[in-house]
Amino acid sequence: GDSVTQMEGPVTLSEEAFLTINCTYTATGYPSLFWYVQYPGEGLQLLLKATKADDKGSNKGFEATYRKETTSFHLEKGSVQVSDSAVYFCALSDWVTGGGNKLTFGTGTQLKVEL
Amino acid sequence: DAGVTQSPTHLIKTRGQQVTLRCSPKSGHDTVSWYQQALGQGPQFIFQYYEEEERQRGNFPDRFSGHQFPNYSSELNVNALLLGDSALYLCASSLESRGDTGELFFGEGSRLTVL
Repeated sequence: GDSVTQMEGPVTLSEEAFLTINCTYTATGYPSLFWYVQYPGEGLQLLLKATKADDKGSNKGFEATYRKETTSFHLEKGSVQVSDSAVYFCALSDWVTGGGNKLTFGTGTQLKVEL
Repeated sequence: DAGVTQSPTHLIKTRGQQVTLRCSPKSGHDTVSWYQQALGQGPQFIFQYYEEEERQRGNFPDRFSGHQFPNYSSELNVNALLLGDSALYLCASSLESRGDTGELFFGEGSRLTVL
């Protein structure tokens, strides 16, 4: 079945450091890929998405490129802020005709940004 | 525009009891999915409701059941609670017509503790 593997955390960075969170996936079809973020005490929010190979999703300075050849969707940000501290989840969608959309999530990577 | 709302936010039950969790989708959305998020893990898909029917189900036992009402709101029922059912239960809504590129909007969740 479909699966998502992302790097384990926690990841601790200093403010303005470069961020990379690795994500690889296994899927039988051609899924859409997502990064969701969960701030403390809040629900999951979509950060960015890419729906086909070579697409780049971007939002709030974060970006990720859908790499079909390496089955990866790594999250990057050039300069993190304290406010970026959260748990980040990589996910893929599995659209089943007549069955709707289902997301498969990775285990999450906790990011802590310090001054 | 109200987002996804869930109730209750927290609840404590004992083993063997039954629980009902409720969800109102984002305005205009017609599809509701339920996910279980254990501590330190990514959300796991339980099932999805569309047109008042369960149309896709994850690897969860029959103790987990649900319902969708004509106004698209939904309930998740769990019978014969086990300690392992302790988790954050997330409701997500989406619009069927957007397909697998459509975003899932998540509520803040209902945290269930089973003693």
